Amino acid sequence: DQQVKQNSPSLSVQEGRISILNCDYTNSMFDYFLWYKKYPAEGPTFLISISSIKDKNEDGRFTVFLNKSAKHLSLHIVPSQPGDSAVYFCAARGAGSYQLTFGKGTKLSVIP
Amino acid sequence: NAGVTQTPKFQVLKTGQSMTLQCAQDMNHNSMYWYRQDPGMGLRLIYYSVSEGTTDKGEVPNGYNVSRLNKREFSLRLESAAPSQTSVYFCASNRAYQETQYFGPGTRLLVL
Repeated sequence: DQQVKQNSPSLSVQEGRISILNCDYTNSMFDYFLWYKKYPAEGPTFLISISSIKDKNEDGRFTVFLNKSAKHLSLHIVPSQPGDSAVYFCAARGAGSYQLTFGKGTKLSVIP
Repeated sequence: NAGVTQTPKFQVLKTGQSMTLQCAQDMNHNSMYWYRQDPGMGLRLIYYSVSEGTTDKGEVPNGYNVSRLNKREFSLRLESAAPSQTSVYFCASNRAYQETQYFGPGTRLLVL
């Protein structure tokens, strides 16, 4: 039973346009959400996060939106750059838990 | 400041052999984690240690053992490797109560 779902395995976007990566979750006890970026043969690196008490968090070109009623979050990258091409993982943490639950990832390709 | 380091980078084992994956962090973090990542899958938690002297099972602990040697080091042992344990293994760490986990570069393991 997958508690964190990334339903799009891949996404292609033109350089300069907006990339929107989506993530759905089923566990209402999740209180913190993170996005990680992963290049081939490297470990995941933290990108941006959001607490369940917020609905938006912004950091430069990256914005995460949280819709708690829909149990949905999205990562917006504007403008997209070729260096953004990577696999993006959505992760969630339950209140009081040390564990992160990861989605399967979405491979973003930004075409020059 | 190297962050999280893992050794070896790559290993080939025969079925039934044993080996230990090493992880060390120099960020004075309390908690450490072992994940595995399989093709088309997200990261799945194997074991974690929230502080020295404690270890807990994650989502997929069967076939593995761990040792929290000291605050810096957390090792993962495969006593009798199986082809199903072919995977990429990531170690991560963070401070107590910190949501973001910081990952090492990974160990790629092939069990024949």
